[in-house]
Amino acid sequence: EDKVVQSPLSLVVHEGDTVTLNCSYEVTNFRSLLWYKQEKKAPTFLFMLTSSGIEKKSGRLSSILDKKELFSILNITATQTGDSAVYLCAGMKTSYDKVIFGPGTSLSVIP
Amino acid sequence: DAGVIQSPRHEVTEMGQEVTLRCKPISGHDYLFWYRQTMMRGLELLIYFNNNVPIDDSGMPEDRFSAKMPNASFSTLKIQPSEPRDSAVYFCASSLGGTGESISGANVLTFGAGSRLTVL
Repeated sequence: EDKVVQSPLSLVVHEGDTVTLNCSYEVTNFRSLLWYKQEKKAPTFLFMLTSSGIEKKSGRLSSILDKKELFSILNITATQTGDSAVYLCAGMKTSYDKVIFGPGTSLSVIP
Repeated sequence: DAGVIQSPRHEVTEMGQEVTLRCKPISGHDYLFWYRQTMMRGLELLIYFNNNVPIDDSGMPEDRFSAKMPNASFSTLKIQPSEPRDSAVYFCASSLGGTGESISGANVLTFGAGSRLTVL
C-alpha cells in the first residue's frame, strides 16, 4: 500500500531559526514529490521534485529529493511567524493521477 | 482563471439530511479530485475523475457518498443521509495530466477553498 510519512508531526521554533522537515515515501510507480503549505485554508503548492539531488529554492524555502533513499526534505531558513502552517508532502504517480498525502508537519513560529 | 471554485463554503446540517457539495475546476484541467480532511485522518482522496469519467472511487467511505461530473466544468459530491462522522472539510482539486515534461508546477494539483461540513 502506498504511504507517505512525515516527521516531525509538530514543531515549535523561534523566529530566525532554521527548520528541516522530513518526508519519506513508499509509492509505487513514483514520479514526483510535491510539497504544499496549508494555513487555515486550502493547501497551496510549493515545490514539485522529480529528479534526485537537484535543489529547488523559493526565497527562504528550499527542498531536495533523494530517490534512492526515498525521502525529501524541506528547509526553511530565517523563519518568520508567517511561516506558521501545516506543511504537506505528497507522492505523485507516473500516471499523474493519484497523489498520496502525508499527515503533515504543523510548524509554529513564535516571535 | 479564478481557480477551483467550491460551494458552499460552510454547511451545517442535521443528521439524516442530504448534503450536496459543488465544484468548478480550473478551465482546461482534465483531472478532478475530491478530498476529505479531518484532524484524525488528514487529507484523504475520496474519488477522482479524468475527462469527466470516474477513475477510482475506492476512497469513498460507503454507499452514502456519491459523486458526479456531468461536464468538464462541474462536479458534485453528495452525502445522503449525512451522519455526524461526515463532519470534515471537503476539498475539490483539479490538475492537468500529461506525459513527459508537459506537467509543470503550475499544472499540478490546485485546491479549491474547501467546504466545511458540520453534521449535528
